[in-house]
Amino acid sequence: SAVISQKPSRDICQRGTSLTIQCQVDSQVTMMFWYRQQPGQSLTLIATANQGSEATYESGFVIDKFPISRPNLTFSTLTVSNMSPEDSSIYLCSTPGRAQETQYFGPGTRLLVL
Amino acid sequence: AQSVAQPEDQVNVAEGNPLTVKCTYSVSGNPYLFWYVQYPNRGLQFLLKYITGDNLVKGSYGFEAEFNKSQTSFHLKKPSALVSDSALYFCAVRVIVLTFGGGTRVLVKP
Repeated sequence: SAVISQKPSRDICQRGTSLTIQCQVDSQVTMMFWYRQQPGQSLTLIATANQGSEATYESGFVIDKFPISRPNLTFSTLTVSNMSPEDSSIYLCSTPGRAQETQYFGPGTRLLVL
Repeated sequence: AQSVAQPEDQVNVAEGNPLTVKCTYSVSGNPYLFWYVQYPNRGLQFLLKYITGDNLVKGSYGFEAEFNKSQTSFHLKKPSALVSDSALYFCAVRVIVLTFGGGTRVLVKP
């Protein structure tokens, strides 16, 4: 399985500010995914990040609000821009395993916006 | 479009009793089906998957799941539940991207 780490593990932010979340994988992967888990809710896919191309965003998510970088095959960042309390969630990074069948998740970044 | 339904928000079971967490799915094409578990303040852990082959798949921590194509279901089961199995369980399906069900909270009482 892939080992995925995220920074920060948690943060408390003021509304109107932005936070960049980092995701590091211990092996090279083509696809990386960013999910959001709002309090008491399930996971929702924000976007798919492929190295060398622009991220593909799911319905309801836009690049201006959630810009993503994918500078190489082991790293990605997700920025939550101009935050509001509604952005308070756990943000998770995810990658497929070596067999491309299973998908693994990072520990998540717990964000609270005041 | 693909979707996953977990009809029960919470399942309560006594320790030692069988545990079942229900999941139904809707996809076009052959799905990859998954179960994940999330313990409090911890990340999402992979439990098991169905890709092809035997309809009964075995996973981590004594869990198993049965793929039923005619009923489009993939229920998670454990013959004898432990208190430590208390957690949030997610069923997921993937054709292209991974889509999650709403989650079922399992509470195993001593």
